[in-house]
Amino acid sequence: GAGVSQSPSNKVTEKGKDVELRCDPISGHTALYWYRQSLGQGLEFLIYFQGNSAPDKSGLPSDRFSAERTGGSVSTLTIQRTQQEDSAVYLCASSALGLAGAPGELFFGEGSRLTVL
Amino acid sequence: AQKVTQAQTEISVVEKEDVTLDCVYETRDTTYYLFWYKQPPSGELVFLIRRNSFDEQNEISGRYSWNFQKSTSSFNFTITASQVVDSAVYFCALSGVSNYQLIWGAGTKLIIKP
Repeated sequence: GAGVSQSPSNKVTEKGKDVELRCDPISGHTALYWYRQSLGQGLEFLIYFQGNSAPDKSGLPSDRFSAERTGGSVSTLTIQRTQQEDSAVYLCASSALGLAGAPGELFFGEGSRLTVL
Repeated sequence: AQKVTQAQTEISVVEKEDVTLDCVYETRDTTYYLFWYKQPPSGELVFLIRRNSFDEQNEISGRYSWNFQKSTSSFNFTITASQVVDSAVYFCALSGVSNYQLIWGAGTKLIIKP
C-alpha cells in the first residue's frame, strides 16, 4: 500500500490475554518504530528496528512486551498477559534513510487502539 | 541528556488569528535535527518540517512558518491567519545525527474556534 498500515484498528481484550498488533510499513523503508500514546498524552517510544534487528529496545515497558520484524518489512508487537494499564493507542511509523544518513521523516499509521477490560 | 519542552499544553484562538507554538530543546550534540508533526483528530501524525542544526534560516510554507534560534535553543512554529482545520495536537521533536530515536515534546493542543 501507499502508507503505513496497522491492524487491528481496534482491539478489546480481557485482562490476562495476549494480543498481537501488526504493522506493515511503506515498502523500502528500512527503519520501523513502535510508539504508545495514552489518551491525551504524548508519544512514548517503545522499540526501533533497522532492517530486522532492533538496536534500541529501551522503551519496552516490561518483559510482557516483545516485537519482531521479518523480511525487513512487517513487524508484530506482542503484549502478553495484558493489563489494564496497557490500554492505549499503539502507533507504528516507518522511515527511509535521509540524506547522508540523517533521520528521515516518519510516516505514521493510524494506530491500533487497545482496550484491556 | 536530550530534552524537548513544549510548555503550552493547550492554546485556543479564534479563527484568523495568528498563533505561535513554542518549542525549546536541550542537546549536547553539535549536529542535530528538529521536527514538527501534526496530529489531527483523526489520529495519524503528519510530518510538517525537518530542520538541521546548521541551517538557521527561517522557513515559510504557506500560512506556516518556523523560527529556529540556536541562541535560545528554540524552534517555534507560527500559523498565520489560523483556520479551523488547523485544530490538532502539534508535536516538536529532536534527533541526533546517529540516533534515530526521536525525543518528543509533550505536544500542544491547538483549538481554532470559528
